[in-house]
Amino acid sequence: GENVEQHPSTLSVQEGDSAVIKCTYSDSASNYFPWYKQELGKRPQLIIDIRSNVGEKKDQRIAVTLNKTAKHFSLHITETQPEDSAVYFCAANDMRFGAGTRLTVKP
Amino acid sequence: SAVISQKPSRDICQRGTSLTIQCQVDSQVTMMFWYRQQPGQSLTLIATANQGSEATYESGFVIDKFPISRPNLTFSTLTVSNMSPEDSSIYLCSVGGQRYFGPGTRLTVT
Repeated sequence: GENVEQHPSTLSVQEGDSAVIKCTYSDSASNYFPWYKQELGKRPQLIIDIRSNVGEKKDQRIAVTLNKTAKHFSLHITETQPEDSAVYFCAANDMRFGAGTRLTVKP
Repeated sequence: SAVISQKPSRDICQRGTSLTIQCQVDSQVTMMFWYRQQPGQSLTLIATANQGSEATYESGFVIDKFPISRPNLTFSTLTVSNMSPEDSSIYLCSVGGQRYFGPGTRLTVT
């Protein structure tokens, strides 16, 4: 099965700075890569996803990039705000999740 | 989008007993997924449930411990059998190819 590694495990940034979270996967046949945000005590929420036929996708302050050759994909959050503070998970399409990144945005 | 509900939202159970968790979706879906999230950890896929066939279990999870029913296209149950404190977790169902998650069932085993 797929092995998904996620880094860093914790990330602290100043409000307004950018945050980048990276994931690598092992199965070259994987073709769908979602990212989730999970606030404390709440369910995971899909925030953006990318399929293997594109290299980048943006949605306002959030973007995801995919490098199929290197088998890694990244979440980019620009102009971070305190409400971006949460745990972020990446996943690959056979439903395996990365270990998570706890993002803290300091006001 | 899909609206998913789970029952119960939380429970405290005694060691050795069983608990059945229900997942209801507001639309028909082919596949439903059951996940476990232990405190402070990531989500781990337990099994995939298709209507009309046996559930497919991931490595480390067995049917005797986590029997699953899928009687129709909007409903599924997960039973946690012969519970031990190590089963204390949040259990979530998911549909739409991981796009939507239920609110979760917080299980504490004493």
